[in-house]
Amino acid sequence: EPEVTQTPSHQVTQMGQEVILRCVPISNHLYFYWYRQILGQKVEFLVSFYNNEISEKSEIFDDQFSVERPDGSNFTLKIRSTKLEDSAMYFCASSGVDTSGYTDTQYFGPGTRLTVL
Amino acid sequence: SQKIEQNSEALNIQEGKTATLTCNYTNYSPAYLQWYRQDPGRGPVFLLLIRENEKEKRKERLKVTFDTTLKQSLFHITASQPADSATYLCARDDNTDKLIFGTGTRLQVFP
Repeated sequence: EPEVTQTPSHQVTQMGQEVILRCVPISNHLYFYWYRQILGQKVEFLVSFYNNEISEKSEIFDDQFSVERPDGSNFTLKIRSTKLEDSAMYFCASSGVDTSGYTDTQYFGPGTRLTVL
Repeated sequence: SQKIEQNSEALNIQEGKTATLTCNYTNYSPAYLQWYRQDPGRGPVFLLLIRENEKEKRKERLKVTFDTTLKQSLFHITASQPADSATYLCARDDNTDKLIFGTGTRLQVFP
């Protein structure tokens, strides 16, 4: 069964450093997302991406964050200058389109645990 | 803003019983509600999606209902097993593509 994959599974970085989190969405999906989950809290939306551009972003997704689909398979989240409060699990998700033309179920990857020291 | 509330933080039940988890939403009815399972340190795993015009949906031992009058969805696991122990997340759309998640209910099934 197709699945979303993410690398690395765990990333440790120093405050102020840049990190790139990588995702390979399900191959025929067209919509891509990043969510994050701070330990013990709910899963929060960061950004959605469709047709090579951001379709929506949350207040969390400020100028320090960017997303890119550099080729036909990868989808990346970059944090330019990490802060302590960026420590969280970051989940990539992708979805297709259902028969009515609406976005379908979102399938999540296993996550990248980001630890900022 | 749209909200999702899962009132029970934790639910403990005996193996073989039916677990019932509650999800309440505010404001306008979402086009759909989704239920996910999350194990510690892992990503949410999709279980069921129910649309606004559907009253009930089933998949094996799972059943979900959608009551637009009560603004509530119920998620049932029948004949529960210890392997069903996990956190169950309810999520709604907000008229866009993004999902808004509840805080989850941690289910523990005891043998």
